[in-house]
Amino acid sequence: GAVVSQHPSWVICKSGTSVKIECRSLDFQATTMFWYRQFPKQSLMLMATSNEGSKATYEQGVEKDKFLINHASLTLSTLTVTSAHPEDSSFYICSARDWLAGLKGTDTQYFGPGTRLTVL
Amino acid sequence: GENVEQHPSTLSVQEGDSAVIKCTYSDSASNYFPWYKQELGKRPQLIIDIRSNVGEKKDQRIAVTLNKTAKHFSLHITETQPEDSAVYFCAASRYGNKLVFGAGTILRVKS
Repeated sequence: GAVVSQHPSWVICKSGTSVKIECRSLDFQATTMFWYRQFPKQSLMLMATSNEGSKATYEQGVEKDKFLINHASLTLSTLTVTSAHPEDSSFYICSARDWLAGLKGTDTQYFGPGTRLTVL
Repeated sequence: GENVEQHPSTLSVQEGDSAVIKCTYSDSASNYFPWYKQELGKRPQLIIDIRSNVGEKKDQRIAVTLNKTAKHFSLHITETQPEDSAVYFCAASRYGNKLVFGAGTILRVKS
């Protein structure tokens, strides 16, 4: 149980285009999902917290107009990188918190497999 | 906000030896402390976690200890095996809030 998927696993795009990444919780409901960015040999940097049915909460320094987040259902959050540039190339990982488990006192976040974005 | 420091940044041990990774946190209200293992190019996997009402938790070869007074917690891996080689991240949060991660420790187990 507690599986999170991400799609696509990798994507290459031209500078100036937009890329959408999907994060799905497959066997549980997630009222809260998180989007991270990870550079090679570095830690996970939280970009934003995605809340089902409401606006995302962005971390300081993250451009909300560039990184659009939508959490339209209890099992799906999307991250759209708009007008991508080479400096946006990175490994993007989502995580999801099991809503029901949270009510029972378990705060585990389950991570997706990540999406490697390369902007040419 | 919360700040988590993790040491060492790299750790090499001989197969069969123990490995210890330490983290300190700044927010005394933090009450949830997970440890994640990440292999190259893969997702972080939760290996053990502890809540602030417990001082120690063990799962086979892995244990975590928490010292709330000193605001630090540690991961202990005994009888290390080559497959334990990976990057390990500690994290801290107030329950229900976002996780703040440490910088990570590269563990190499030499056979």
